[in-house]
Amino acid sequence: GQQLNQSPQSMFIQEGEDVSMNCTSSSIFNTWLWYKQDPGEGPVLLIALYKAGELTSNGRLTAQFGITRKDSFLNISASIPSDVGIYFCAGQGSNYQLIWGAGTKLIIKP
Amino acid sequence: NAGVTQTPKFRILKIGQSMTLQCAQDMNHNYMYWYRQDPGMGLKLIYYSVGAGITDKGEVPNGYNVSRSTTEDFPLRLELAAPSQTSVYFCASSRTAANYGYTFGSGTRLTVV
Repeated sequence: GQQLNQSPQSMFIQEGEDVSMNCTSSSIFNTWLWYKQDPGEGPVLLIALYKAGELTSNGRLTAQFGITRKDSFLNISASIPSDVGIYFCAGQGSNYQLIWGAGTKLIIKP
Repeated sequence: NAGVTQTPKFRILKIGQSMTLQCAQDMNHNYMYWYRQDPGMGLKLIYYSVGAGITDKGEVPNGYNVSRSTTEDFPLRLELAAPSQTSVYFCASSRTAANYGYTFGSGTRLTVV
């Protein structure tokens, strides 16, 4: 079946740092989605990408749909404490079902 | 805005017991989904529904059952709970299959002992 590799698994960051994470797939996707999950809550959609090469921003977040349609990255600029949580990528192929990455856990260094 | 409401938030079951996880949405979404989330893993699709009266298996359906008698409700049934079903369960809904994002509930944390 389709697989998504999301990296890194976790990141320790200082407040103010920029953050980058990515997802790669062995299959082509038509849609890439990035979600954030806070503790004890369900994932919340951050950014949706629908076209190869598309670059979309949402405040300090920027995500890109890879030109090969097999990858996507998410950048967070000037991180703040409320950015901590788990970030998930998800890809949607031709059968409309979502395939999820395992998540990137963002932790703020004290 | 209620969105997707899941109950209960927490539950401990003994092996072999049964229970129903409730999910309701008030956005008139046709599509609804049940996922389980295990530590360090992505979300795994258990069952989904494309409308009232229509359900289908996802990636990990064994040990679960669903029904969709109304647009609003999509309960998940565990008949004979096993330790392997210890997980956090999320219900989600979406307006269409061409994905513009799912709305998730806040989850049910289930422990089977």
